[in-house]
Amino acid sequence: GAVVSQHPSRVICKSGTSVKIECRSLDFQATTMFWYRQFPKKSLMLMATSNEGSKATYEQGVEKDKFLINHASLTLSTLTVTSAHPEDSSFYICSVEGIGSTQYFGPGTRLLVL
Amino acid sequence: AQKITQTQPGMFVQEKEAVTLDCTYDTSDPSYGLFWYKQPSSGEMIFLIYQGSYDQQNATEGRYSLNFQKARKSANLVISASQLGDSAMYFCAMTGAGGTSYGKLTFGQGTILTVHP
Repeated sequence: GAVVSQHPSRVICKSGTSVKIECRSLDFQATTMFWYRQFPKKSLMLMATSNEGSKATYEQGVEKDKFLINHASLTLSTLTVTSAHPEDSSFYICSVEGIGSTQYFGPGTRLLVL
Repeated sequence: AQKITQTQPGMFVQEKEAVTLDCTYDTSDPSYGLFWYKQPSSGEMIFLIYQGSYDQQNATEGRYSLNFQKARKSANLVISASQLGDSAMYFCAMTGAGGTSYGKLTFGQGTILTVHP
């Protein structure tokens, strides 16, 4: 399967600042990556599909101007939470679509907005 | 639209025994994939097993097997010889083969498995 890394693993920021989360596919060229959000003890909710070289596709109810996604290369997708507020505090996790449509996940990023 | 249902919020099992985690699904896609992932307290999502909708045999991966009953739309995960390290949240998920569901994973609510020594 694909090996996926995320950076940072944990971030604390002040309300109103922007936070960038990186998702890297270390051993697989990923034309498609996915970004999910997860609240404690809840399921994963798909936020958007990141497509290399084109605009991301957002799920219904996800603000594209709030959660900026850039997929500039086959190994890197970034999620920027703009003007973060406490309600944006969550666990953000990305995945890479590997062979046979199996998705391989990064270790996740815990965001806390004060 | 696709839907995954896991009706067991929590399950307990004795070490070395087998346990079954339930998963039912609903989809209008004729072709789909079913997955199970394990999420330990660290948060990472670990891929366990995959079953394609046209696969004739149930998938197996080591101690994990998927009891696929297509007519009942169920895809239960069986873990044999449970180990303490199996304690985690387990998610059933599916992806469709076409339309807006292509490539996207829909997750169930998850089941917290606790293995007792």
